[in-house]
Amino acid sequence: DAKTTQPPSMDCAEGRAANLPCNHSTISGNEYVYWYRQIHSQGPQYIIHGLKNNETNEMASLIITEDRKSSTLILPHATLRDTAVYYCIVRVRGGGTSYGKLTFGQGTILTVHP
Amino acid sequence: EADIYQTPRYLVIGTGKKITLECSQTMGHDKMYWYQQDPGMELHLIHYSYGVNSTEKGDLSSESTVSRIRTEHFPLTLESARPSHTSQYLCASSEYSYNSPLHFGNGTRLTVT
Repeated sequence: DAKTTQPPSMDCAEGRAANLPCNHSTISGNEYVYWYRQIHSQGPQYIIHGLKNNETNEMASLIITEDRKSSTLILPHATLRDTAVYYCIVRVRGGGTSYGKLTFGQGTILTVHP
Repeated sequence: EADIYQTPRYLVIGTGKKITLECSQTMGHDKMYWYQQDPGMELHLIHYSYGVNSTEKGDLSSESTVSRIRTEHFPLTLESARPSHTSQYLCASSEYSYNSPLHFGNGTRLTVT
């Protein structure tokens, strides 16, 4: 699996954009980047994923660098309810027993303050 | 919105008891997973399934067992609970294609006394 590196914690003011970086310098050409978040005591929630193009949905935007060695998750207008642990994950691709598994790291604790 | 349900939400049980954690999904997903997570720690995959009658062990060794007799149901069983099994257990499912996102339940928080 390509490993990911994220800052352990970040702060953001309510209403401002939250930009969460992720390094995945060993990513393979056909591996996707996924973002999940986990609010205390709940199961992880899927946010967005992408291969090489930038992606946007109703929750967030995902910017992937041209060399695919890093990405940024953008929450355009953070709210207090966005306070959570955010996980950047590179999806294992291929057949056999590794098919489709997700490997979660430590993630980034994002705190949104008033 | 994903529909995946785990019961019970919380469970406190004595050492030596047999327990089954339930997980059901209504999306018709072929693939299902069990993760284990201690407070403030990473998620670790303990079991997964590609479909009916298919189960595999995950990355983290676990004394639990799973079964997949029906597509929508993926229960996890501990034959004899021990205090070391105290943890949160998270169930997830996804469509079969390799890039489909996982949808998680809200977990079962197990305490073995």
